[in-house]
Amino acid sequence: QKEVEQDPGPLSVPEGAIVSLNCTYSNSAFQYFMWYRQYSRKGPELLMYTYSSGNKEDGRFTAQVDKSSKYISLFIRDSQPSDSATYLCAMRVAGAGSYQLTFGKGTKLSVIP
Amino acid sequence: GAGVSQSPSNKVTEKGKDVELRCDPISGHTALYWYRQRLGQGLEFLIYFQGNSAPDKSGLPSDRFSAERTGESVSTLTIQRTQQEDSAVYLCASSLEQGRTGELFFGEGSRLTVL
Repeated sequence: QKEVEQDPGPLSVPEGAIVSLNCTYSNSAFQYFMWYRQYSRKGPELLMYTYSSGNKEDGRFTAQVDKSSKYISLFIRDSQPSDSATYLCAMRVAGAGSYQLTFGKGTKLSVIP
Repeated sequence: GAGVSQSPSNKVTEKGKDVELRCDPISGHTALYWYRQRLGQGLEFLIYFQGNSAPDKSGLPSDRFSAERTGESVSTLTIQRTQQEDSAVYLCASSLEQGRTGELFFGEGSRLTVL
C-alpha cells in the first residue's frame, strides 16, 4: 500500500458545482496536511494547510482532516473554470528536522463553463 | 527575482549524455529541495539542502544523480549517463528554513526528455 493514495481522475464538473477531492494515507504519524494546486506546465503552489484533525476554510475552499479515518478532503464551492488544475495532497510528520513532504499523485480537475 | 527560477525549462538529450539542471531559489530562503515528477505520478523527493548542514540525499535514485548548492544560493542537479526512465519534470522548491509548515515555493520545473 502506498503511503498516500489519491484518485488521479480526471474529474470534470460544470461551472458552479461543488467539488470534492480526497486522499487517504497509511502513516498515522502524519500531522501536517496540505493541498497544492498545479496548473499545466507550472510548479505546484500551496493552497491550504492544516495541522492535525479538523476543518479549515479559506474563501471557496475548505480542507478537512479526519485522522481517525486517515482521510483528508478538499472542497471547492462555486467552482470556476480558473479552478481547472491538478490538485495534489501532501503531508508530513511533525518534529524538528521533518521536512520531507509525501505527495499524492494528484487529481486533474476540469471545470466546464 | 521574485520566485524560484529554474533552467533550462526544457531539455531533450540522448541516452547516455550528462545533463545539468539549475535552480535559483528565492533570496533569503535557506532550505532548498529537488523533486521529480514523472508523468502520472506524484512528486518524488530527491534531495534537501538546509544552510551549511550536510544535505539529505536519501531520495536520489542512483549514483548517477548528484546535486550541489553553493551556500544559500544556486543549486545544480546533475544526472550522468541519462536513461530513458530519467525523463520527468524536475522541480526545485525553496522555503524559509522549515517555513510555515508545508509552504514550499516551487519553480516551474525543468522538463527532461531522454531519447
